[in-house]
Amino acid sequence: DTAVSQTPKYLVTQMGNDKSIKCEQNLGHDTMYWYKQDSKKFLKIMFSYNNKELIINETVPNRFSPKSPDKAHLNLHINSLELGDSAVYFCASSQLTRLDTQYFGPGTRLTVL
Amino acid sequence: AQTVTQSQPEMSVQEAETVTLSCTYDTSESDYYLFWYKQPPSRQMILVIRQEAYKQQNATENRFSVNFQKAAKSFSLKISDSQLGDAAMYFCASDRGSTLGRLYFGRGTQLTVWP
Repeated sequence: DTAVSQTPKYLVTQMGNDKSIKCEQNLGHDTMYWYKQDSKKFLKIMFSYNNKELIINETVPNRFSPKSPDKAHLNLHINSLELGDSAVYFCASSQLTRLDTQYFGPGTRLTVL
Repeated sequence: AQTVTQSQPEMSVQEAETVTLSCTYDTSESDYYLFWYKQPPSRQMILVIRQEAYKQQNATENRFSVNFQKAAKSFSLKISDSQLGDAAMYFCASDRGSTLGRLYFGRGTQLTVWP
């Protein structure tokens, strides 16, 4: 009965490849997020969707494209992977778009070689 | 600009003792929430405690409590009766209300618990 799940947990790939990370939540929340945690463990928001609509789009390269097929799913597709994309990517969800607790998935460690 | 500051990159505590982790934040808003999240070696981000800015009473969750000083913009986490399982990276975070759910995180405090 995992609340927020991500697949895969680990992803190792070559520079230039395209990859996707999937996220699903079974909490019935309306809002989902993608965060990036860098090698120094700093967490920064990338995107947020509310009921399939994009509401936060931080200054992230165009190679990153989120997609929300329904409000329980938020996927992250990354084109032309670069070494600097290596990080841990976290999905999170909350009921409200502001002033609410965000629940995080287990994270996906992406390594670009 | 950094809006959440954790000035202690590392802290350590003896098992069963009490430890306090510091956090300061910067906001001009009156409506905001503050959080402490724990990240053990498993990498999972786990909510420890939440404080709503409009509440004067400090939040408490079992052995975890906060000292919320609104005027000083300080939000420290006190862990009582520390256990080995408390060893983790602890992140302070703020949701400033006007920023559509963006959580701003501090850089974390690595807590070691000694037996």
